[in-house]
Amino acid sequence: DGGITQSPKYLFRKEGQNVTLSCEQNLNHDAMYWYRQDPGQGLRLIYYSQIVNDFQKGDIAEGYSVSREKKESFPLTVTSAQKNPTAFYLCASSSLGAGRSSYNEQFFGPGTRLTVL
Amino acid sequence: KQEVTQIPAALSVPEGENLVLNCSFTDSAIYNLQWFRQDPGKGLTSLLLIQSSQREQTSGRLNASLDKSSGRSTLYIAASQPGDSATYLCAVPLTSGSARQLTFGSGTQLTVLP
Repeated sequence: DGGITQSPKYLFRKEGQNVTLSCEQNLNHDAMYWYRQDPGQGLRLIYYSQIVNDFQKGDIAEGYSVSREKKESFPLTVTSAQKNPTAFYLCASSSLGAGRSSYNEQFFGPGTRLTVL
Repeated sequence: KQEVTQIPAALSVPEGENLVLNCSFTDSAIYNLQWFRQDPGKGLTSLLLIQSSQREQTSGRLNASLDKSSGRSTLYIAASQPGDSATYLCAVPLTSGSARQLTFGSGTQLTVLP
């Protein structure tokens, strides 16, 4: 089955601890994204990547880091600098259309719920 | 900066009713608009994507319309069923900077009562 997987489903972090959320896709998509969702709110973009070894900050990148060493994988690290990390984290991917300003449909993984103890 | 608003925030209807969910956006220069469904504690499922050149898209009992000039989109659900209960989100890509960032509304939580 083609799709996006995220692990773990639930994650608990202690104060001052870094944690890494996994995102893998087998859709052969070039672009991958990380979003954060807080209760009763829409999604906000943390980071995105359009190509291996390159990524850009979204609206709320502070306290997060990412890497893109493989096309299929885009892990997100929530660092101790993120003061309010408790949230639902969603990973997405999409193909890239022709031209800089093109956009293609984004597909989402099942999410990881992170809770700070 | 693009802002996306969804009204109402929550909606409860009896089974079988036809209903309309609303989405408005402040910058009408959009490439397209995407509607998603989210079940509690789950990821997003794409329902419909309307390109800027289109006015409507249909999938089964769902019909989405787009009026760029007025900055509005509606999602019409016909003959609602309890299985339609979920949160519905709309999103538009940014048209400045990178076109691949999505701006989301906060969603409409729909409950269909049996």
